[in-house]
Amino acid sequence: KAGVTQTPRYLIKTRGQQVTLSCSPISGHRSVSWYQQTPGQGLQFLFEYFSETQRNKGNFPGRFSGRQFSNSRSEMNVSTLELGDSALYLCASRSGTALSYEQYFGPGTRLTVT
Amino acid sequence: GENVEQHPSTLSVQEGDSAVIKCTYSDSASNYFPWYKQELGKRPQLIIDIRSNVGEKKDQRIAVTLNKTAKHFSLHITETQPEDSAVYFCAASTRGNFNKFYFGSGTKLNVKP
Repeated sequence: KAGVTQTPRYLIKTRGQQVTLSCSPISGHRSVSWYQQTPGQGLQFLFEYFSETQRNKGNFPGRFSGRQFSNSRSEMNVSTLELGDSALYLCASRSGTALSYEQYFGPGTRLTVT
Repeated sequence: GENVEQHPSTLSVQEGDSAVIKCTYSDSASNYFPWYKQELGKRPQLIIDIRSNVGEKKDQRIAVTLNKTAKHFSLHITETQPEDSAVYFCAASTRGNFNKFYFGSGTKLNVKP
């Protein structure tokens, strides 16, 4: 099976702009989670989507939002970008069944805000 | 919510030695504990995991142990090799469909040849 893919891989934006990141999960996986990774804060959970519904949300401001489509692909949007939003954004997919816990990460999108 | 603490933050060992990384968690409802390895510039990769109904799991040179009573779990790497050099993350997650993963802060392992 193909792994989790993310596009774009690199992105440079300026403060105040907005950005949309995309994640395609492993085929058959219905759960997609998003994480922000920074050197100082480690891996921080943003939100999780399952069957087009947000099921869990981390402690991030409302500028961070997401959605999931019927084919399980997910997008994450950050509006009014701030310098502190510069980070590696990782998505991870799981099958979403109660018996399957394993989570697999995509390569990430490196966002730089100037 | 869950809080996962990971120690040490950096670990340097000689090739061939063993390495141990420890994590503690706070939520007794957590029942799934994966470990991820992240090489520089790459994605975190799942290397081993353990569920709360098991005390130990091995896969070649790596093993994970879980102590539910003390709420801690550890990663053991034996006969370390330079390619084991990476950042290792532990995580904890609660049962059910609605998993939320809480990650430790990471351990940078350096294996000196």
